[in-house]
Amino acid sequence: GAVVSQHPSWVICKSGTSVKIECRSLDFQATTMFWYRQFPKQSLMLMATSNEGSKATYEQGVEKDKFLINHASLTLSTLTVTSAHPEDSSFYICSARESTLLGSQYFGPGTRLLVL
Amino acid sequence: SQKIEQNSEALNIQEGKTATLTCNYTNYSPAYLQWYRQDPGRGPVFLLLIRENEKEKRKERLKVTFDTTLKQSLFHITASQPADSATYLCALDKSGYSTLTFGKGTMLLVSP
Repeated sequence: GAVVSQHPSWVICKSGTSVKIECRSLDFQATTMFWYRQFPKQSLMLMATSNEGSKATYEQGVEKDKFLINHASLTLSTLTVTSAHPEDSSFYICSARESTLLGSQYFGPGTRLLVL
Repeated sequence: SQKIEQNSEALNIQEGKTATLTCNYTNYSPAYLQWYRQDPGRGPVFLLLIRENEKEKRKERLKVTFDTTLKQSLFHITASQPADSATYLCALDKSGYSTLTFGKGTMLLVSP
């Protein structure tokens, strides 16, 4: 149990385009989902926390107008990178917290974004 | 803010030996400390969680200790196997409801 999926697993796009990444909890309800970004050989850096039905909370330094997050249901959150630029190229990972299990987060397999 | 240090970037050991990875933090003691495994190009996979009032936790060949006085957690893999080769991440959860703060990870390479 406790599986989180992400789609797509990788994407290549031209500079200036927008990219949407989906994160789904497959067998549990996730009241909270998290979006991370990871650069090579670096730690996972939290970008934002998303609660179902409310606005996302962004970490300091993360532009909310550039990284749009929508958490419309208990099993789906989306991250849209708007007007992507080469410096946005990174590994984006989502995680989901099951409300009944304190402290547990389950991670998706990640989405590799390459902006040309 | 919380700072997390994991020992060396990479650790090489021989198959069958015990691997010991270190996670040190500098600020508050978290309610929960978690260890994850991450393979290249993949998301982290949860391994073990230890609470601040627990000294030790075991799961099969894995053992985690948590010393809030030293502000340190040790992660042991006994009878290591080449399949254990991966990056291991330490993550701190301040309250159980809060966000996770991750260390950079330690890359473990187990040679046959």
